Formats: sequence, structure tokens, C-alpha cells
Amino acid sequence: GAVVSQHPSRVICKSGTSVKIECRSLDFQATTMFWYRQFPKQSLMLMATSNEGSKATYEQGVEKDKFLINHASLTLSTLTVTSAHPEDSSFYICSARVGGQRTDTQYFGPGTRLTVL
Amino acid sequence: GESVGLHLPTLSVQEGDNSIINCAYSNSASDYFIWYKQESGKGPQFIIDIRSNMDKRQGQRVTVLLNKTVKHLSLQIAATQPGDSAVYFCAETRRGSNYKLTFGKGTLLTVNP
Repeated sequence: GAVVSQHPSRVICKSGTSVKIECRSLDFQATTMFWYRQFPKQSLMLMATSNEGSKATYEQGVEKDKFLINHASLTLSTLTVTSAHPEDSSFYICSARVGGQRTDTQYFGPGTRLTVL
Repeated sequence: GESVGLHLPTLSVQEGDNSIINCAYSNSASDYFIWYKQESGKGPQFIIDIRSNMDKRQGQRVTVLLNKTVKHLSLQIAATQPGDSAVYFCAETRRGSNYKLTFGKGTLLTVNP
């Protein structure tokens, strides 16, 4: 149980275009999802916290107008990188916390490799 | 500032040996710690966790030790196997943080056959 999927797994786009990444909890409801970014040989950096039905909370230094997050249902959150540039190339990973439980455990998706040309 | 870090960025061991990966944290309010394994090109995989009211927890071939006095966390892997080769991250969270995780820098474990 507690499987999280991401789609697409890999995307290559031209500079200036927008890219949408989906994060789904497959066998549980996730009231809270998190989006991370990971550059090569570095750790995961939290970008934002997404709560179902409310606006996302962004970490300091993350542009909310550039990284649009929508958490429309208990099993789906989306991250849209708007007007992507080469410096946005990174590994984007989502995680989900099981809803309704007093637990801190997060389950991670497999990640999405974004390359902006 | 508040941070979670690792002492050793790389660790190379022989197959069958025991591995110890260390992690230091600076926030005394941290009350929940997790070790994750990340293979190349994949998302982090939960290994084991421990709460601040414990100092040791064991799983299958893995043990996590927590020393709150010196704010130190370690992951011990028994009889390390080639499949254990990966980057290992410690992460911490604390009450009132909305379950946000702060990750350490990571240690690359290489198991030589």
C-alpha cells in the first residue's frame, strides 16, 4: 500500500513553455502533498506544501507564480512550471501524507526529470 | 541556522560488512526522524523511522540510533549487500511544522562485491 505515482517520469521542453507534472496517491487519500526539487548530487529541497482544497504554502525563495500548485482532490496534486527556463531543469519529486492519521510518514513518488532546452 | 547534516558524504564497504551512516541535526525541537534510501533516478524510499522518545529502533537488517544529547542519528545496515548501494538521507520534522521534512545532505553508500 501507500503508493505514489508521478507523470510524466521524464519531460524535455523548450525554454518559455509550461510543463505540468501530476502526483497521485494510488491507494490512499492524501490530505497533504509536498513538492520537492532536487539538483544533481544534492539533497531534496522542499518547494511547497499542498493541502486539498486550499492554496499551497510555498517555501521562502520559491516563486508561487512560476510554480503553480493545484490540489483539487484527495488523490491528485499538480505542479505546473510556467515559462520554464534551463535553470528550472531538475528532478521534481512529490510526496503524500496519509490523511486522517496522526502520522508524519510521507510516501514519495518516483520523481519527474525536467530538462529545459 | 537549523539544519540536518551528515558527517560522511561517501562510504565504501565490502559486501557482507556492516555499514554505519551518520547524521547530525541542530534543532532540539526535532521529534521525528526518518532514514530514506534513494537509488539513482528514483524517489526516496522509506527505510526506518524513530521518534524522540526512543533511542534505538530495529528493522530488518537496519537499526537506527538516536542520541538526543549530542543531536546525532545513525543508520546501521547489517551484512551490507550490493543492492544497498544508494544515497541515504536522514530527514527530520517536528510538531507544529505541518509535517514538513528537512533533509540532510545525503551519503553515497557503495558496496563492493
